[in-house]
Amino acid sequence: DQQVKQNSPSLSVQEGRISILNCDYTNSMFDYFLWYKKYPAEGPTFLISISSIKDKNEDGRFTVFLNKSAKHLSLHIVPSQPGDSAVYFCAASYNYGQNFVFGPGTRLSVLP
Amino acid sequence: NAGVMQNPRHLVRRRGQEARLRCSPMKGHSHVYWYRQLPEEGLKFMVYLQKENIIDESGMPKERFSAEFPKEGPSILRIQQVVRGDSAAYFCASSPQGRNTIYFGEGSWLTVV
Repeated sequence: DQQVKQNSPSLSVQEGRISILNCDYTNSMFDYFLWYKKYPAEGPTFLISISSIKDKNEDGRFTVFLNKSAKHLSLHIVPSQPGDSAVYFCAASYNYGQNFVFGPGTRLSVLP
Repeated sequence: NAGVMQNPRHLVRRRGQEARLRCSPMKGHSHVYWYRQLPEEGLKFMVYLQKENIIDESGMPKERFSAEFPKEGPSILRIQQVVRGDSAAYFCASSPQGRNTIYFGEGSWLTVV
């Protein structure tokens, strides 16, 4: 039973354009959401997070949008750069960090 | 300001041997999480520990796997009698008390031959 879903295994985007990575969740108890980026042979790196009391959080080129009614969040990267090519994991938690559940990841390729 | 430290980075074990993976959390962090990533799969939660206490081990296989986070020293993930299916990347993450973000180490890659 996958509580956090990333239905696109891969995504290709042209450099300079917007990358939109999507994530859906099923557990209504989740109240905090995070995005991580992972390069091969390295650990995941924290990118940005959002609390369920907000619908948007922005940090530089990265913006996360949360639609609680749809149980959907998305990560926007603008403009996309070749160095953004990596696997992106969506994660959700509840009970203030008691449990972090990760999606299967989306591989982003930014083409020069 | 060192990050989460994991060692060894790479470990090769023969079937039936024991594997021990170590994790030192970031300074000031009292919570440790272990995740496993099998080839071509996502991150699967294994166990969540605080000092001297296992909080949630719902993701740990019932046999051969154990974890501890002693009062002094690193957290240890121990796999006894390893099998080929244990070959994976094992990631440790830590967080401070009362914070809702976890930070990962570089991972330990276990290969069972």
